[in-house]
Amino acid sequence: GAGVSQTPSNKVTEKGKYVELRCDPISGHTALYWYRQSLGQGPEFLIYFQGTGAADDSGLPNDRFFAVRPEGSVSTLKIQRTERGDSAVYLCASSLAGTGTDTQYFGPGTRLTVL
Amino acid sequence: AQSVTQPDIHITVSEGASLELRCNYSYGATPYLFWYVQSPGQGLQLLLKYFSGDTLVQGIKGFEAEFKRSQSSFNLRKPSVHWSDAAEYFCAVGGVQGAQKLVFGQGTRLTINP
Repeated sequence: GAGVSQTPSNKVTEKGKYVELRCDPISGHTALYWYRQSLGQGPEFLIYFQGTGAADDSGLPNDRFFAVRPEGSVSTLKIQRTERGDSAVYLCASSLAGTGTDTQYFGPGTRLTVL
Repeated sequence: AQSVTQPDIHITVSEGASLELRCNYSYGATPYLFWYVQSPGQGLQLLLKYFSGDTLVQGIKGFEAEFKRSQSSFNLRKPSVHWSDAAEYFCAVGGVQGAQKLVFGQGTRLTINP
């Protein structure tokens, strides 16, 4: 079946602009995660959804970052007033039930470049 | 806070040689442990995971990992590497204090010499 998909695959924007990154999880997966991977680093957790609600947003770096999952499926990560330091690959993952032992399946990522 | 350390940033081995990638974690209890592989242009793929029970875990692509509580380690091994194993490897911990998030190490880049 289809895996996790993310759009766009690449996004180039200018400093100060607003961007939206989209994630389509595996069908039937109730848990959805966003991570950010900077060059040469491992992924860093941003936010976790269980259904429609954000169950853990402790990784969001500041209030410029926001994510939604209004119908419990597709999620959008929104970044306001982008800064050059926001440049990274943004990864989305989904899992069946969101328990600690669940396998998280990752999408290919969106590479965000802020000029 | 929990942390994951992968001491080797880059490892080069010859095709057919054995491989061991190191991973140490810092947490009081036994967390859930994972190894993921990331190939260029590909998403992260799970190789194996450990929760409890037998401390030697078998994964996909001929990989295995051994959990050693006394050393807080979860090293990844493969007896004979193939050129297609060249990739970035990440160790991760999850389920710490009930949290669902994964905490990743910095990664180890594996290069295979022909």
